[in-house]
Amino acid sequence: EVQLVESGGDLVQPGGSLRLSCAASGFTFSSYWMHWVRQDPGKGLEWVSHVNNDGSVTNYADSVKGRFTISRDNAKNTLSLQMNSLRAEDTAVYFCVREWWGIDYWGQGTLVTVSS
Amino acid sequence: DVVLTQSPLSLPVTLGQPASISCRSSQSLVASDGTTYLCWFHQRPGQSPRRLIYKVSNRDSGVPDRFSGSGSGTDFTLKISRVEAEDVGVYYCMQNSHWPPWTFGQGTKVEIK
Repeated sequence: EVQLVESGGDLVQPGGSLRLSCAASGFTFSSYWMHWVRQDPGKGLEWVSHVNNDGSVTNYADSVKGRFTISRDNAKNTLSLQMNSLRAEDTAVYFCVREWWGIDYWGQGTLVTVSS
Repeated sequence: DVVLTQSPLSLPVTLGQPASISCRSSQSLVASDGTTYLCWFHQRPGQSPRRLIYKVSNRDSGVPDRFSGSGSGTDFTLKISRVEAEDVGVYYCMQNSHWPPWTFGQGTKVEIK
């Protein structure tokens, strides 16, 4: 069974940093592209970042470019998102998601709140 | 960037009756390989989204056959043949034909009348 379990969400002050992690299991992690997608509480879905299967290619939404860094460790089946210079508008539930013919499996999400 | 526009944004439905959600794209979703990468998700309150349909019309494993996807080019539709109580929630379309970015529709909230 495919499982994606996020962790690391917290309350952080504007300008602060946070690192999210996602533990993947139930599939061959190194064979799949992975993404982070976020959702403002009670609102829609926003794609944040993508990494290809070996970590050599990354993409970012304009809203986070230069502040967030996606990475993966295929030996540990882990996806990460380093978030720096956090802003109030980054407040959201962050989902770790797998891509197979488009995004297919989602984790349960981890809440990031940016507030003073 | 590809913009996906869903309609309606709110859809009151009667149990047992059909329902239909539209997703229109700002440009053709035919990718360079000739495939159209448009999928549909369902999100129940308090849960993560679950994919229902991929590549326009392919149902994911375990998805009831009352759900169907259709369309081409810039115009796509998700249909529920007979709405059941468990179908309430928000439905999103998403494209990955032209990336980055991967983009979602705004969501359509389905509720029972």
